[in-house]
Amino acid sequence: DAKTTQPTSMDCAEGRAANLPCNHSTISGNEYVYWYRQIHSQGPQYIIHGLKNNETNEMASLIITEDRKSSTLILPHATLRDTAVYYCIVRPPGNTDKLIFGTGTRLQVFP
Amino acid sequence: DTGVSQNPRHKITKRGQNVTFRCDPISEHNRLYWYRQTLGQGPEFLTYFQNEAQLEKSRLLSDRFSAERPKGSFSTLEIQRTEQGDSAMYLCASSPWTEPHDLHFGNGTRLTVT
Repeated sequence: DAKTTQPTSMDCAEGRAANLPCNHSTISGNEYVYWYRQIHSQGPQYIIHGLKNNETNEMASLIITEDRKSSTLILPHATLRDTAVYYCIVRPPGNTDKLIFGTGTRLQVFP
Repeated sequence: DTGVSQNPRHKITKRGQNVTFRCDPISEHNRLYWYRQTLGQGPEFLTYFQNEAQLEKSRLLSDRFSAERPKGSFSTLEIQRTEQGDSAMYLCASSPWTEPHDLHFGNGTRLTVT
């Protein structure tokens, strides 16, 4: 399985952009990058996913480098409610559809 | 709200007892997953179902653990002869046929084994 590496924790001021990096240097050509987040006492929540191109939705933007070895999740205007653990996940190959979570990045948004 | 529902939210049991958790997925979702999460760690995959068929089980799922989804709707996870190491948050998720990786998680059942 392709492994991801994320910083353990990050801080961000409210209203500023939060840029969360993820390294996945062993990613295969057909593997997607997924981002989930987990707010305290809740289950994880899907944010966004992508293969090669940059993606944007109402929650965030995902920037994937051209060589696909790393990506960045961008929360354009972080709020206190964005304080959570953010997981970068690479979908394993084959027919299994499970997602393998790492330990993620704990993002603290401060006033 | 028609999200994933898990019951109970909390369970305290004594070592050696059996416990059963229930998960009610989003009604139109055919895939259902169980994960376990301990403090400071990400969720660990346990098993998943497509409709009533259990398609994969993790090596983490010892023979004391059993999961069922008899009619392809709700699912139960039973742990027999609980051990203190079983203390964790047990998360259930479901996903639709069209977007199998768009997992919708419940808020979990927190198990404490004393």
